[in-house]
Amino acid sequence: AQKVTQAQTEISVVEKEDVTLDCVYETRDTTYYLFWYKQPPSGELVFLIRRNSFDEQNEISGRYSWNFQKSTSSFNFTITASQVVDSAVYFCALSEALGSQGNLIFGKGTKLSVKP
Amino acid sequence: DGGITQSPKYLFRKEGQNVTLSCEQNLNHDAMYWYRQDPGQGLRLIYYSQIVNDFQKGDIAEGYSVSREKKESFPLTVTSAQKNPTAFYLCASSQEPTEPKNIQYFGAGTRLSVL
Repeated sequence: AQKVTQAQTEISVVEKEDVTLDCVYETRDTTYYLFWYKQPPSGELVFLIRRNSFDEQNEISGRYSWNFQKSTSSFNFTITASQVVDSAVYFCALSEALGSQGNLIFGKGTKLSVKP
Repeated sequence: DGGITQSPKYLFRKEGQNVTLSCEQNLNHDAMYWYRQDPGQGLRLIYYSQIVNDFQKGDIAEGYSVSREKKESFPLTVTSAQKNPTAFYLCASSQEPTEPKNIQYFGAGTRLSVL
């Protein structure tokens, strides 16, 4: 069963629009971590944020914000006032406490295109 | 600069040939990982190593082999048994290999194609 679902395969917006990338996860663990990574055209994955299962506070970092809701098993990512440089593939990932040995389970990614 | 270096950036494999992808890190991380990425797919774990001289199979290890003789190096060999090797390969490392809070840091990848 897929444990991390990113239902949006591709999103295209015009610069300065706000955009939200969805991430839904599935786990039986009570302790787990959620991550977002950005993969620009260069190919390297860049770590953006880590959130643990006990901290449901939303987080804001500049134009980026994350909304973690355990009730809906979601960890959504919003970019405010998008820019062309935000164009990339974004991955959501899950790390479970039990049996994972620290390994990440990735979603299939959402490709974001921001047009000028 | 500290980081993860993958080489080569592009690699071509002939039929029946083994090829080796290099991954070196100078972050002093204990754990290293190899992932395969296919178009429209997430990352799938091939092999990982939490300590020198030890490694474990991931979800898609068939047709691949690895070694971990040095802390900073984790080369991946794509053998002739891997019938569909064309993909983008990413190497990663992390400092806390058995912790779920483990952040993995990635290299720039190697794109492998079959001639």
